[in-house]
Amino acid sequence: LAKTTQPISMDSYEGQEVNITCSHNNIATNDYITWYQQFPSQGPRFIIQGYKTKVTNEVASLFIPADRKSSTLSLPRVSLSDTAVYYCLVGSFTSGTYKYIFGTGTRLKVLA
Amino acid sequence: SAVISQKPSRDICQRGTSLTIQCQVDSQVTMMFWYRQQPGQSLTLIATANQGSEATYESGFVIDKFPISRPNLTFSTLTVSNMSPEDSSIYLCSVFGQGTGELFFGEGSRLTVL
Repeated sequence: LAKTTQPISMDSYEGQEVNITCSHNNIATNDYITWYQQFPSQGPRFIIQGYKTKVTNEVASLFIPADRKSSTLSLPRVSLSDTAVYYCLVGSFTSGTYKYIFGTGTRLKVLA
Repeated sequence: SAVISQKPSRDICQRGTSLTIQCQVDSQVTMMFWYRQQPGQSLTLIATANQGSEATYESGFVIDKFPISRPNLTFSTLTVSNMSPEDSSIYLCSVFGQGTGELFFGEGSRLTVL
Protein backbone atom coordinates (compact mmCIF):
# COMPACT_ATOMS: atom_id res chain seq x y z
CA LEU A 1 0.00 0.00 0.00
CA ALA A 2 1.27 3.46 -0.89
CA LYS A 3 2.10 5.48 2.19
CA THR A 4 1.58 9.22 2.16
CA THR A 5 3.60 11.91 3.86
CA GLN A 6 2.26 15.40 4.54
CA PRO A 7 3.30 18.34 6.71
CA ILE A 8 1.79 18.01 10.16
CA SER A 9 0.51 21.57 10.29
CA MET A 10 0.34 24.85 8.39
CA ASP A 11 -0.77 28.37 9.20
CA SER A 12 -2.14 30.85 6.70
CA TYR A 13 -4.02 34.13 6.61
CA GLU A 14 -7.40 34.84 5.18
CA GLY A 15 -7.38 35.56 1.47
CA GLN A 16 -4.12 33.75 0.80
CA GLU A 17 -3.64 30.74 -1.43
CA VAL A 18 -2.64 27.62 0.46
CA ASN A 19 -0.70 24.75 -1.08
CA ILE A 20 -0.39 21.45 0.76
CA THR A 21 1.99 18.91 -0.71
CA CYS A 22 1.78 15.17 -0.22
CA SER A 23 4.44 12.59 -1.03
CA HIS A 24 3.45 9.11 -2.18
CA ASN A 25 6.61 7.57 -3.59
CA ASN A 26 5.21 4.05 -3.86
CA ILE A 27 2.02 4.90 -5.70
CA ALA A 28 0.80 2.09 -7.94
CA THR A 29 -0.17 2.45 -11.57
CA ASN A 30 -3.89 2.14 -10.93
CA ASP A 31 -4.02 4.31 -7.81
CA TYR A 32 -5.88 7.60 -7.71
CA ILE A 33 -5.00 10.48 -5.39
CA THR A 34 -7.79 11.87 -3.26
CA TRP A 35 -7.96 14.68 -0.73
CA TYR A 36 -10.37 14.92 2.18
CA GLN A 37 -11.21 17.66 4.64
CA GLN A 38 -12.25 17.05 8.22
CA PHE A 39 -13.74 19.49 10.69
CA PRO A 40 -13.87 18.68 14.43
CA SER A 41 -16.63 16.25 15.37
CA GLN A 42 -17.43 15.47 11.74
CA GLY A 43 -16.54 12.70 9.32
CA PRO A 44 -14.08 13.51 6.53
CA ARG A 45 -15.49 15.11 3.42
CA PHE A 46 -14.29 14.61 -0.15
CA ILE A 47 -12.55 17.60 -1.73
CA ILE A 48 -10.98 16.47 -4.98
CA GLN A 49 -9.56 13.45 -6.79
CA GLY A 50 -7.10 13.06 -9.64
CA TYR A 51 -4.87 10.64 -11.49
CA LYS A 52 -2.39 12.89 -13.29
CA THR A 53 -1.75 16.50 -14.39
CA LYS A 54 -4.24 19.01 -13.00
CA VAL A 55 -7.77 18.78 -11.74
CA THR A 56 -9.88 21.73 -10.68
CA ASN A 57 -13.30 21.98 -9.09
CA GLU A 58 -15.25 24.73 -7.36
CA VAL A 59 -13.28 24.53 -4.14
CA ALA A 60 -9.73 23.41 -4.97
CA SER A 61 -7.14 22.41 -7.53
CA LEU A 62 -4.97 19.32 -7.50
CA PHE A 63 -1.60 19.27 -9.21
CA ILE A 64 0.05 15.94 -9.97
CA PRO A 65 3.46 15.80 -11.70
CA ALA A 66 4.23 13.27 -14.41
CA ASP A 67 5.93 10.80 -12.05
CA ARG A 68 2.89 10.91 -9.69
CA LYS A 69 5.13 10.55 -6.64
CA SER A 70 3.66 13.66 -5.10
CA SER A 71 0.62 15.88 -5.36
CA THR A 72 -0.30 19.39 -4.26
CA LEU A 73 -3.69 20.52 -3.05
CA SER A 74 -4.25 24.20 -3.74
CA LEU A 75 -6.91 26.15 -1.87
CA PRO A 76 -7.46 29.60 -3.37
CA ARG A 77 -8.19 32.54 -1.08
CA VAL A 78 -8.77 30.64 2.15
CA SER A 79 -11.16 31.86 4.81
CA LEU A 80 -11.44 31.13 8.53
CA SER A 81 -13.91 28.35 7.75
CA ASP A 82 -11.18 26.45 5.88
CA THR A 83 -9.49 25.71 9.19
CA ALA A 84 -9.54 21.92 9.25
CA VAL A 85 -7.42 18.81 8.83
CA TYR A 86 -6.65 17.85 5.24
CA TYR A 87 -5.85 14.27 4.33
CA CYS A 88 -4.11 12.98 1.24
CA LEU A 89 -5.07 9.43 0.30
CA VAL A 90 -3.88 7.04 -2.33
CA GLY A 91 -6.46 4.46 -3.30
CA SER A 92 -5.22 0.91 -3.21
CA PHE A 93 -6.82 -2.08 -4.85
CA THR A 94 -5.69 -5.14 -2.92
CA SER A 95 -7.14 -8.63 -3.11
CA GLY A 96 -10.24 -7.40 -4.86
CA THR A 97 -11.02 -4.74 -2.28
CA TYR A 98 -10.60 -1.08 -3.02
CA LYS A 99 -9.74 0.72 0.20
CA TYR A 100 -8.26 3.96 1.42
CA ILE A 101 -5.58 4.28 4.07
CA PHE A 102 -5.39 7.66 5.76
CA GLY A 103 -2.08 9.34 6.49
CA THR A 104 -1.36 11.74 9.33
CA GLY A 105 -3.11 14.68 7.69
CA THR A 106 -2.20 18.38 7.66
CA ARG A 107 -3.78 20.60 10.26
CA LEU A 108 -4.45 23.93 8.54
CA LYS A 109 -5.11 26.96 10.67
CA VAL A 110 -6.37 30.09 8.92
CA LEU A 111 -5.76 33.30 10.81
CA ALA A 112 -7.64 36.56 10.50
CA SER B 1 -23.79 10.57 -3.12
CA ALA B 2 -24.56 8.49 -0.05
CA VAL B 3 -26.16 9.45 3.23
CA ILE B 4 -24.93 7.49 6.22
CA SER B 5 -26.55 7.40 9.64
CA GLN B 6 -24.77 6.06 12.67
CA LYS B 7 -26.14 5.15 16.08
CA PRO B 8 -25.34 5.96 18.77
CA SER B 9 -23.76 9.33 18.09
CA ARG B 10 -22.01 9.09 21.42
CA ASP B 11 -21.95 6.89 24.48
CA ILE B 12 -20.16 6.47 27.77
CA CYS B 13 -19.44 2.89 28.71
CA GLN B 14 -17.94 0.98 31.57
CA ARG B 15 -14.78 -1.03 31.26
CA GLY B 16 -15.40 -4.66 30.32
CA THR B 17 -18.71 -4.10 28.59
CA SER B 18 -19.49 -4.23 24.87
CA LEU B 19 -21.20 -1.74 22.59
CA THR B 20 -22.69 -2.21 19.15
CA ILE B 21 -22.60 0.65 16.66
CA GLN B 22 -25.07 0.68 13.81
CA CYS B 23 -24.52 2.07 10.32
CA GLN B 24 -27.39 2.64 7.90
CA VAL B 25 -26.85 3.76 4.29
CA ASP B 26 -29.54 5.25 2.06
CA SER B 27 -28.51 3.14 -0.94
CA GLN B 28 -27.29 -0.37 -1.60
CA VAL B 29 -23.53 -0.71 -1.47
CA THR B 30 -21.22 -3.66 -1.82
CA MET B 31 -18.43 -2.59 0.52
CA MET B 32 -18.69 -0.81 3.85
CA PHE B 33 -15.67 0.32 5.81
CA TRP B 34 -15.20 0.85 9.52
CA TYR B 35 -12.59 3.32 10.73
CA ARG B 36 -11.41 4.35 14.17
CA GLN B 37 -10.17 7.80 15.04
CA GLN B 38 -8.48 8.17 18.39
CA PRO B 39 -8.37 11.62 19.99
CA GLY B 40 -6.26 14.00 17.94
CA GLN B 41 -5.22 11.28 15.54
CA SER B 42 -5.86 10.30 11.96
CA LEU B 43 -8.29 7.62 10.84
CA THR B 44 -7.31 3.97 11.02
CA LEU B 45 -9.10 1.37 8.94
CA ILE B 46 -10.45 -1.42 11.12
CA ALA B 47 -12.09 -3.65 8.53
CA THR B 48 -13.94 -3.92 5.25
CA ALA B 49 -17.39 -5.48 5.38
CA ASN B 50 -18.86 -7.07 2.28
CA GLN B 51 -22.40 -8.36 2.28
CA GLY B 52 -22.54 -12.13 2.29
CA SER B 53 -18.99 -12.74 3.43
CA GLU B 54 -16.86 -12.33 6.52
CA ALA B 55 -15.29 -8.98 7.14
CA THR B 56 -11.65 -8.46 6.24
CA TYR B 57 -9.67 -7.02 9.14
CA GLU B 58 -6.59 -4.85 8.98
CA SER B 59 -3.43 -5.63 10.85
CA GLY B 60 -3.88 -5.05 14.56
CA PHE B 61 -7.63 -5.65 14.55
CA VAL B 62 -9.28 -9.00 15.23
CA ILE B 63 -12.77 -10.35 14.91
CA ASP B 64 -13.06 -11.30 18.59
CA LYS B 65 -12.53 -7.69 19.61
CA PHE B 66 -14.42 -5.99 16.76
CA PRO B 67 -17.06 -8.38 15.40
CA ILE B 68 -18.86 -6.99 12.37
CA SER B 69 -22.18 -7.95 10.86
CA ARG B 70 -23.36 -7.15 7.35
CA PRO B 71 -26.86 -8.61 7.00
CA ASN B 72 -27.83 -6.68 3.87
CA LEU B 73 -26.59 -4.12 1.36
CA THR B 74 -27.62 -1.06 3.41
CA PHE B 75 -26.71 -1.95 6.96
CA SER B 76 -23.77 -2.98 9.11
CA THR B 77 -22.86 -3.14 12.77
CA LEU B 78 -19.54 -2.94 14.55
CA THR B 79 -19.26 -4.24 18.10
CA VAL B 80 -16.47 -3.11 20.39
CA SER B 81 -16.07 -5.96 22.85
CA ASN B 82 -14.69 -6.08 26.37
CA MET B 83 -13.92 -2.38 26.24
CA SER B 84 -11.03 -0.66 27.93
CA PRO B 85 -10.21 3.06 28.15
CA GLU B 86 -7.88 2.60 25.15
CA ASP B 87 -10.96 1.94 23.02
CA SER B 88 -12.18 5.49 23.60
CA SER B 89 -12.39 6.80 20.06
CA ILE B 90 -14.67 7.94 17.32
CA TYR B 91 -15.81 5.05 15.15
CA LEU B 92 -16.80 5.92 11.59
CA CYS B 93 -18.66 4.01 8.96
CA SER B 94 -18.00 4.78 5.30
CA VAL B 95 -19.00 3.69 1.81
CA PHE B 96 -18.07 4.54 -1.74
CA GLY B 97 -20.52 6.58 -3.75
CA GLN B 98 -22.13 4.75 -6.63
CA GLY B 99 -19.75 4.60 -9.58
CA THR B 100 -17.22 6.92 -7.98
CA GLY B 101 -14.06 6.66 -5.95
CA GLU B 102 -15.46 9.13 -3.44
CA LEU B 103 -15.72 7.82 0.08
CA PHE B 104 -18.66 9.05 2.15
CA PHE B 105 -18.60 9.03 5.93
CA GLY B 106 -21.12 8.99 8.68
CA GLU B 107 -20.84 11.55 11.45
CA GLY B 108 -19.19 9.00 13.67
CA SER B 109 -19.93 7.41 17.02
CA ARG B 110 -17.94 8.91 19.87
CA LEU B 111 -17.21 6.27 22.48
CA THR B 112 -15.82 7.02 25.93
CA VAL B 113 -14.80 4.12 28.14
CA LEU B 114 -14.41 4.74 31.84
